[in-house]
Amino acid sequence: DAGVTQSPTHLIKTRGQQVTLRCSPKSGHDTVSWYQQALGQGPQFIFQYYEEEERQRGNFPDRFSGHQFPNYSSELNVNALLLGDSALYLCASSGNPSYEQFFGPGTRLTVL
Amino acid sequence: QQPVQSPQAVILREGEDAVINCSSSKALYSVHWYRQKHGEAPVFLMILLKGGEQKGHEKISASFNEKKQQSSLYLTASQLSYSGTYFCGTEGGRDYGGSQGNLIFGKGTKLSVKP
Repeated sequence: DAGVTQSPTHLIKTRGQQVTLRCSPKSGHDTVSWYQQALGQGPQFIFQYYEEEERQRGNFPDRFSGHQFPNYSSELNVNALLLGDSALYLCASSGNPSYEQFFGPGTRLTVL
Repeated sequence: QQPVQSPQAVILREGEDAVINCSSSKALYSVHWYRQKHGEAPVFLMILLKGGEQKGHEKISASFNEKKQQSSLYLTASQLSYSGTYFCGTEGGRDYGGSQGNLIFGKGTKLSVKP
């Protein structure tokens, strides 16, 4: 049983560019949450998708947007990249009735 | 409100015990504990739901005092493999139909176990 997978593993972009990160949830999970983790910090919640809708959102600007597909996979899009967007982006999946969130390996984004 | 974890760091010898605390200023529905090794994703350890329950997994256990809005993670007879940064993630409530609310993570407690 494959766990949560994310692609790509690493990305290097320049300021002002746009990026799309992808996540496939663990089999049987229908909820996907995205987190940003800066170096030395805990993960920060960006938003959560359930039934192809954004259900909750953290304190992130509109430059951060997402999508969930019918197969429950998800994308995170970030527009107009800033240097401060450099971080590890983690995707976590969970499924009713389970409460646990399982994290993927993350995408390391570097903005130059 | 970000939960506060203490201590920030702890160094142990193999076989020693440790306690990591997590405190929140808001009412909590659940507390989730994760361990993250350098360069890796956080790994789920356990979840505690409101009700003051205590859970355990081998030599790692945790308690949740919802009245005090606190949780503690207990590591007994530590092993080298316990090294890493431990995060608590708190959930304030569930007011929607999804399976889980968003988690607010603390800054982490770095645990180093030496031989």
